[in-house]
Amino acid sequence: DAGVTQSPTHLIKTRGQQVTLRCSPKSGHDTVSWYQQALGQGPQFIFQYYEEEERQRGNFPDRFSGHQYPNYSSELNVNALLLGDSALYLCASSLDPASGANVLTFGAGSRLTVL
Amino acid sequence: QQQVKQSPQSLIVQKGGISIINCAYENTAFDYFPWYQQFPGKGPALLIAIRPDVSEKKEGRFTISFNKSAKQFSLHIMDSQPGDSATYFCAARDATGSARQLTFGSGTQLTVLP
Repeated sequence: DAGVTQSPTHLIKTRGQQVTLRCSPKSGHDTVSWYQQALGQGPQFIFQYYEEEERQRGNFPDRFSGHQYPNYSSELNVNALLLGDSALYLCASSLDPASGANVLTFGAGSRLTVL
Repeated sequence: QQQVKQSPQSLIVQKGGISIINCAYENTAFDYFPWYQQFPGKGPALLIAIRPDVSEKKEGRFTISFNKSAKQFSLHIMDSQPGDSATYFCAARDATGSARQLTFGSGTQLTVLP
């Protein structure tokens, strides 16, 4: 049973560019959350997608956007990249937390470096 | 702002010793407190979790102690092993939002010496 799969694993961009990160959730999971983990820090909640809608957003600007597809896979898009966007981007899948599900399964992340 | 404060930032323990990591929170809307273990190049993996109506939970060598009145919780790793060397994150789940998102501590890098 495959866990959460993220791609690409590493990528390098320059300031002002745009990036798209992809996530396939664990089989059976219908909810995808995205977290940003800066070097030496804990993950920070970006947003969550459920039923193809953004359910809730953390303290991140509109440059960060996402999408969820009918097969529950998800994308994270970041526009107008800044140096400070350099981080590990983690995708976590789960059953619907609003139904009481507790466990998040994280992928290995996409390491973004902005030069 | 919701925060979870974690200490120490780094910890070095001899094999067989006890590793203790502490976390404190302020938001009383948190309703679930997991600990995650992260190895280099990997995503965080759930280690053990507790609800605030329980004061202690033990799973093998890992124990969470929870003090609701003090808004503090800690992870104890008994008989620490070199394979336990990793970064540990405490977290707290917000019960008020539909996303039930996690707020993470800043992490503790644990090194267990052989």
